[in-house]
Amino acid sequence: KNQVEQSPQSLIILEGKNCTLQCNYTVSPFSNLRWYKQDTGRGPVSLTIMTFSENTKSNGRYTATLDADTKQSSLHITASQLSDSASYICVGGYSGGYQKVTFGTGTKLQVIP
Amino acid sequence: DTAVSQTPKYLVTQMGNDKSIKCEQNLGHDTMYWYKQDSKKFLKIMFSYNNKELIINETVPNRFSPKSPDKAHLNLHINSLELGDSAVYFCASSLRLAGSGDTQYFGPGTRLTVL
Repeated sequence: KNQVEQSPQSLIILEGKNCTLQCNYTVSPFSNLRWYKQDTGRGPVSLTIMTFSENTKSNGRYTATLDADTKQSSLHITASQLSDSASYICVGGYSGGYQKVTFGTGTKLQVIP
Repeated sequence: DTAVSQTPKYLVTQMGNDKSIKCEQNLGHDTMYWYKQDSKKFLKIMFSYNNKELIINETVPNRFSPKSPDKAHLNLHINSLELGDSAVYFCASSLRLAGSGDTQYFGPGTRLTVL
């Protein structure tokens, strides 16, 4: 069964601090791993997309890593800002027949001053 | 310019009614989607349309019917609304199918409340 699990469910950090969000995925056959940011009341916005051959990808202060052997991904946020407060969703893409995606339940991040 | 737009943003209706949600994308993408996000914030794909043909239907009740008049539009029609249909519905688009690695662009969502 294709699944994506994220941890922690929620996280509170001080402005300026770094944090790392975790994602474990079991999607097969694996095609790609994505991270989205979803602000409250808004649609998800793509942060990074990584394929099997990529093990890291950055987008500004966001850096995603991918370990295809352990089927784990992480999203590292550097020097957090208040605007980073949002839900971060990990998504596993898989092929075979029609290409599909499976969403994780997200990590709710709150950055406080 | 809004890349993916949805209307209405909020929809409150009685059980048993029929309603539609509209979606338009101006990105020139070939694939559009409808997602449902429940109260636990879990996003689940409902439909994908590629070049006006339905290609994925994730065991969604047949009360839900996507309609695509052209490549830039994918509307969602819901018959006989039930309490459990209350959720936020997101439209999205991408150049190719979601599993291909192309970026998906999401609309702002439509919050449906069934009373």
